Amino acid sequence: SQQGEEDPQALSIQEGENATMNCSYKTSINNLQWYRQNSGRGLVHLILIRSNEREKHSGRLRVTLDTSKKSSSLLITASRAADTASYFCATAITGANSKLTFGKGITLSVRP
Amino acid sequence: NAGVTQTPKFQVLKTGQSMTLQCAQDMNHNSMYWYRQDPGMGLRLIYYSASEGTTDKGEVPNGYNVSRLNKREFSLRLESAAPSQTSVYFCASSQDGTAFGVMNTQYFGPGTRLTVL
Repeated sequence: SQQGEEDPQALSIQEGENATMNCSYKTSINNLQWYRQNSGRGLVHLILIRSNEREKHSGRLRVTLDTSKKSSSLLITASRAADTASYFCATAITGANSKLTFGKGITLSVRP
Repeated sequence: NAGVTQTPKFQVLKTGQSMTLQCAQDMNHNSMYWYRQDPGMGLRLIYYSASEGTTDKGEVPNGYNVSRLNKREFSLRLESAAPSQTSVYFCASSQDGTAFGVMNTQYFGPGTRLTVL
């Protein structure tokens, strides 16, 4: 998989259900970030989780990071129609070749 | 605070024409970035400026030039537009003044939708 590859590519759920989105990466990272993009808008930062952290919460969002499996998950609980958007993970590498690499995104549709 | 602003919102060019996309941020951030977003490709970094007075190439710099006019403003110029440059362009900024803002979150503008005919 490429650095920061999300899974699934698309997800459709009913309002009130939980949505789980996954991100896998290849090389060691400094941190991993999740962003949301509403249709026709710019990206909005949701959560940053550092490599020495395993779980972070922000409101209805829960992000986990498993560095041994090189994967992260974003859980949105009790989803709402307003959560309909594309979600991107971005992996951050520091050092001589510092970079922030975005994945291709997951399209989440929450049906009212 | 307006955050990150971009102008124009939409633009149609003919092949060979030139134009400059403008970006400004009012958050006193050190680093600024230009990305392009194409269907199925995610975001790809074109150029970035870690701090005022410095610029560096990203993943896809060919066909573009940038200017970090001051701490607030970072412009992207297409000297001779090509159909392959049809895309949505996003400017972003972050507090980090070292490289790529990897320790900080990035704040994005609303984007410029560019079509090159």
